[in-house]
Amino acid sequence: VQLVESGGGLVQPGGSLSLSCAASGFNFNNYAMNWVRQAPGKGLEWVSGISDSGLETYYADSVKGRFTVSRDNSKYTVSLQMHSLRVEDTALYYCSKERKAYGSLDSWGLGAQVTVSS
Amino acid sequence: DIQMTQSPSSLSAFLGDRVTITCRASQTIRNYLNWYQCKPGKPPQLLIYAASSLQSGVPSRFSGSGSGTEFTLTISSLQPEDFATYYCHQGYTMPPTFGQGTRLEI
Repeated sequence: VQLVESGGGLVQPGGSLSLSCAASGFNFNNYAMNWVRQAPGKGLEWVSGISDSGLETYYADSVKGRFTVSRDNSKYTVSLQMHSLRVEDTALYYCSKERKAYGSLDSWGLGAQVTVSS
Repeated sequence: DIQMTQSPSSLSAFLGDRVTITCRASQTIRNYLNWYQCKPGKPPQLLIYAASSLQSGVPSRFSGSGSGTEFTLTISSLQPEDFATYYCHQGYTMPPTFGQGTRLEI
């Protein structure tokens, strides 16, 4: 299993950024995917999840209405579009694969750094 | 949202020690409890899922127990590579939530 995030960077408050995660080594179509972030010096925070079909999406209250998760099962990719970014969104964003049961995240990418600063 | 509370927040121990970390949920999560190990510069690693099932490839010195609202992660004999931060995580209901972490130091 390999998950590779891309698209991070530096953006001003109020700006937008899009993250992408390329998956390989497993049947991507069969698994839900999640985004989890870790702000500097802080703990893990779940951000968003998407079902295997892409029909169901979920968001943390802190990003609801600003972030959109999507997936392309033909390309084995999952994306996170982020708008109206705030300083507090600064974090390392991980893409993760969800096990079929118990919601456990059994594979993680190396992460993409998002920095929101003026 | 279900709140996950870990104790202690930090812990100092010696090589070879047996250590236990506790995680409490604000309401029942049955056995939908997972444990992760985090090290600087590396992504989180799943150690335990379903409260007590050892993830493939994880050393057997790691074990988990509990159900309902109270759970524990035990490391039977600390090795140098075990010094890290540990997080519990509930996958019972949306939104999934993590504990605040337990930093294990030498």
